[in-house]
Amino acid sequence: DGGITQSPKYLFRKEGQNVTLSCEQNLNHDAMYWYRQDPGQGLRLIYYSQIVNDFQKGDIAEGYSVSREKKESFPLTVTSAQKNPTAFYLCASTAVSNQPQHFGDGTRLSIL
Amino acid sequence: QQQVKQSPQSLIVQKGGISIINCAYENTAFDYFPWYQQFPGKGPALLIAIRPDVSEKKEGRFTISFNKSAKQFSLHIMDSQPGDSATYFCAARETSGSRLTFGEGTQLTVNP
Repeated sequence: DGGITQSPKYLFRKEGQNVTLSCEQNLNHDAMYWYRQDPGQGLRLIYYSQIVNDFQKGDIAEGYSVSREKKESFPLTVTSAQKNPTAFYLCASTAVSNQPQHFGDGTRLSIL
Repeated sequence: QQQVKQSPQSLIVQKGGISIINCAYENTAFDYFPWYQQFPGKGPALLIAIRPDVSEKKEGRFTISFNKSAKQFSLHIMDSQPGDSATYFCAARETSGSRLTFGEGTQLTVNP
């Protein structure tokens, strides 16, 4: 089945620790996105990438980093600089700019 | 930062009733308006979308109404069912790119 796979589904972070969330897609999509979802705030864009080896900051990039070494993979690192990392993180992809975005099933990050 | 305002934040409807969710935007450069449906613990899934050159689009029980002059669009769910209970997000995309700006979300509950 074609789709977007996010792992792990649940992740716990200790204070001062960096953690990496995985996002893999087999849809052959060019563009990939990371969103953060908090209750009552909708989805906010963290980073996005439209081609391999290139990415842009979204609206809330501080405390996060990404890489795009392969077309199918767009991992997100939540660094210790992100002081309020507890949230539901969603990865999405799209073939070209005028096509709808498809989402994975998210990773819920909590602080120990 | 471009915004999309969504209301109401929560909505309770009886089975068979009509659910109506409203969104408003300010950026006239938006050219694509999708609605997403999200169940708990899952990623959002595209429900229906509209472009500003039409005033209404219907797919089954779901209808988008679009008022370009008022910069408003709404989702109507006819004959609402308990299985429609979910969180609904409106979104808007700029002509020049692929980024989506999301509304804050509406939690819909359809009582049996």
